[in-house]
Amino acid sequence: KNEVEQSPQNLTAQEGEFITINCSYSVGISALHWLQQHPGGGIVSLFMLSSGKKKHGRLIATINIQEKHSSLHITASHPRDSAVYICAVPGGGGADGLTFGKGTHLIIQP
Amino acid sequence: GAVVSQHPSRVICKSGTSVKIECRSLDFQATTMFWYRQFPKQSLMLMATSNEGSKATYEQGVEKDKFLINHASLTLSTLTVTSAHPEDSSFYICSARPPRRGVGTQYFGPGTRLLVL
Repeated sequence: KNEVEQSPQNLTAQEGEFITINCSYSVGISALHWLQQHPGGGIVSLFMLSSGKKKHGRLIATINIQEKHSSLHITASHPRDSAVYICAVPGGGGADGLTFGKGTHLIIQP
Repeated sequence: GAVVSQHPSRVICKSGTSVKIECRSLDFQATTMFWYRQFPKQSLMLMATSNEGSKATYEQGVEKDKFLINHASLTLSTLTVTSAHPEDSSFYICSARPPRRGVGTQYFGPGTRLLVL
């Protein structure tokens, strides 16, 4: 079974700061997901990546398959980026569904 | 592309009633759909895997008679919470996988928040 660890669990930063959230997993994967969850619960899928790097606006996701590690970066952070960021990977061991990290609770202060 | 919708986004119901949540893949066919739930301050957890035209596979601890899953077409899966109780209050999210895509390829719906009074 794939074990997913995210760090940090909580992060408070000032507007404009560069943010990094990390995700490590234990079993090799075909793809990793980064999700954003705002208060009230709605999920937004940010990235699905299997290698290298993807960029969308101020968000960048990288993955190192050999090291079983991914990072989500936010450049020029803004209070509207405040949310819980969750990484998810295939469950491993023949399981079909995804295993999710516990999430990183990000607060960007003005 | 690869848009998944869920309906409703929020639902409040009385204890003992049944609630149906729909998950639709809008611009692709999904041979496999997944249902996850998230209790307060916990991680999302897989409830069941649904394959079009066959019975769903439930994770350990998930009651199949309480959480009825129907995947009758390649674009629609439904989750019915039967005789809902307050402890079923949770955030339910579905994801969908197109055919011939790897295990990790899933597209998420926005989720449904269920509150049972």
